[in-house]
Amino acid sequence: KQEVTQIPAALSVPEGENLVLNCSFTDSAIYNLQWFRQDPGKGLTSLLLIQSSQREQTSGRLNASLDKSSGRSTLYIAASQPGDSATYLCAVGALYDYKLSFGAGTTVTVRA
Amino acid sequence: DVKVTQSSRYLVKRTGEKVFLECVQDMDHENMFWYRQDPGLGLRLIYFSYDVKMKEKGDIPEGYSVSREKKERFSLILESASTNQTSMYLCASSLEWGATNEKLFFGSGTQLSVL
Repeated sequence: KQEVTQIPAALSVPEGENLVLNCSFTDSAIYNLQWFRQDPGKGLTSLLLIQSSQREQTSGRLNASLDKSSGRSTLYIAASQPGDSATYLCAVGALYDYKLSFGAGTTVTVRA
Repeated sequence: DVKVTQSSRYLVKRTGEKVFLECVQDMDHENMFWYRQDPGLGLRLIYFSYDVKMKEKGDIPEGYSVSREKKERFSLILESASTNQTSMYLCASSLEWGATNEKLFFGSGTQLSVL
């Protein structure tokens, strides 16, 4: 069974600092990996999706990398802003049943 | 943009009540999902459906059932609500099962409290 871990559980940084969020997974047989953002009491919004054949994806200030062999993905957020404060979750799609397994998330606070 | 709408943001129910959570998507997606989210546990899949009238159990189906009579609508049913079903419930949809570029779109969630 796929296990997805996100460390740290919480992170607080001053505005302008670059953010590095980590996601690790136990089974490298995946078909994609997604990063989501969740604001308090709300649903999840898809940020980036990396297909299994890709190494990274970029959107604006966001960049996500994928290393299947080591079971890791990293989400970079450049020049953080208070509006980036949210919980970030990664989810891994398993090849054997096509279901997504989610990490518990990293809660980010960007201080003005 | 895809819109996934959950009928209630907050619900308060009594133990033993039958509870219906409704979800509608407007983008003709094949797949629909119900998750629950609890602090420190992440999202856990309750049920999913890859076609009308089709349903599959997820990781934690006990105490729940689902209904998908129309493609755009997926209902989660708590047959007899219990306090351990107090949680945030999230509905999601996606276009194509197992595609490597398959994105998941979520509703805003229903916070259910069972007293």
